[in-house]
Amino acid sequence: EVQVVESGGGLVKPGGSLRLSCAASGFTFSNAWMHWVRQAPGKGLEWVGRIKSTTDGGTTEYAAPVKGRFTISRDDSKNTLYLQMNSLRTDDTAVYYCTRLVIVPAGTSYWGQGTLVTVSA
Amino acid sequence: EIVLTQSPGTLSLSPGERATLSCRASQSVSSSYLAWFQQKPGQAPRLLIFGASSRATGIPDRFSGSGSGTDFTLTISRLEPEDFAVYYCQQYGSSPLTFGGGTKVEIK
Repeated sequence: EVQVVESGGGLVKPGGSLRLSCAASGFTFSNAWMHWVRQAPGKGLEWVGRIKSTTDGGTTEYAAPVKGRFTISRDDSKNTLYLQMNSLRTDDTAVYYCTRLVIVPAGTSYWGQGTLVTVSA
Repeated sequence: EIVLTQSPGTLSLSPGERATLSCRASQSVSSSYLAWFQQKPGQAPRLLIFGASSRATGIPDRFSGSGSGTDFTLTISRLEPEDFAVYYCQQYGSSPLTFGGGTKVEIK
């Protein structure tokens, strides 16, 4: 059974930092391109960034609003994905999802339940 | 960046009716790398369609996707009570990946 479990959310002051973790099981994590997607309260989905599998180079890409502030990394030995968030702003307040977005040709998608990050003074 | 514009913002329909949702891209979506997700309150999104027209695993055949280039459509042939939700299109062909703003399908 596939499980994706995010943790590390919470309340942080503007300018602060937070690191989210995502523990995955039930699939070969080391082969997976993994993403972070966020959703501000009452708003739509926003792609945050992704990291390729280590075998595909392990490179990262980010959305413009978080580039230079957020860093995605992975530890394949622990089947864990990370999101380091620095210089947090109030508009970073959202539920953050860890996801293996679209898996082809299988036609599946794995998501966690999300973890809430609130940036407020 | 490819901007995805979904219309309408809200669709008010009755169970049994047909729903047609539109997703228009600001530039051509590479190799039809276009997906549709369904999201219900308090839940993570669920993949419905990938590659513009392929149904994801376990998705009923009342859901269908079509389109290419810049114009894509999600059709729900006969709405079931569990289909009332928010639907998002998403392109994964070029970085940055982007989502549309969503279409809410509500009970009339």
